[in-house]
Amino acid sequence: GAGVSQTPSNKVTEKGKYVELRCDPISGHTALYWYRQSLGQGPEFLIYFQGTGAADDSGLPNDRFFAVRPEGSVSTLKIQRTERGDSAVYLCASSLGSYTGELFFGEGSRLTVL
Amino acid sequence: AQKVTQAQTEISVVEKEDVTLDCVYETRDTTYYLFWYKQPPSGELVFLIRRNSFDEQNEISGRYSWNFQKSTSSFNFTITASQVVDSAVYFCALSEGSNSGYALNFGKGTSLLVTP
Repeated sequence: GAGVSQTPSNKVTEKGKYVELRCDPISGHTALYWYRQSLGQGPEFLIYFQGTGAADDSGLPNDRFFAVRPEGSVSTLKIQRTERGDSAVYLCASSLGSYTGELFFGEGSRLTVL
Repeated sequence: AQKVTQAQTEISVVEKEDVTLDCVYETRDTTYYLFWYKQPPSGELVFLIRRNSFDEQNEISGRYSWNFQKSTSSFNFTITASQVVDSAVYFCALSEGSNSGYALNFGKGTSLLVTP
């Protein structure tokens, strides 16, 4: 499809496990964002990539969270030693250029940590 | 500090009623952008509108209209003659030039329910 694709759509894991969430942005979009949305809340910014580099990772809650975008397209959000509080929907968005601010969102990956 | 405040948590209206969703923002930047996104039950956020801080003109798009007032730091969204398909959570968001990449700061959202 032409939109932002996220996999898996649902992930259930046990506390302490490692998790990877993948985002495939719209072709040609240089900017990529990860957000986290808890129930009843608005999306919360985690990290922003411009090309391959993480231009702003100020939203990552702690060092258990890490994200990469090695070739400037697909991005992976990695969460180590998951905790129950990490349970949320993780949203990926992309845009043509960071200045536009018009983000195109994927459907999200719902993470449940038991 | 909360940069975007959507005071209305839930609103319920009957079809064909008009409804206004409130948004108040806070920023020290002179250059910023304001957005509205719709999140239907399917979950995917859908872009509705973007306004920059230098353009206070109100905008109308079909049944949707937006009222941007810098004097009150508000960017309210009105749906005229609401329809059941308008039922969704609506988010107001602020993007500041001081943030890398103009990352969006979202409000907590307003859940709109339109009943037949």
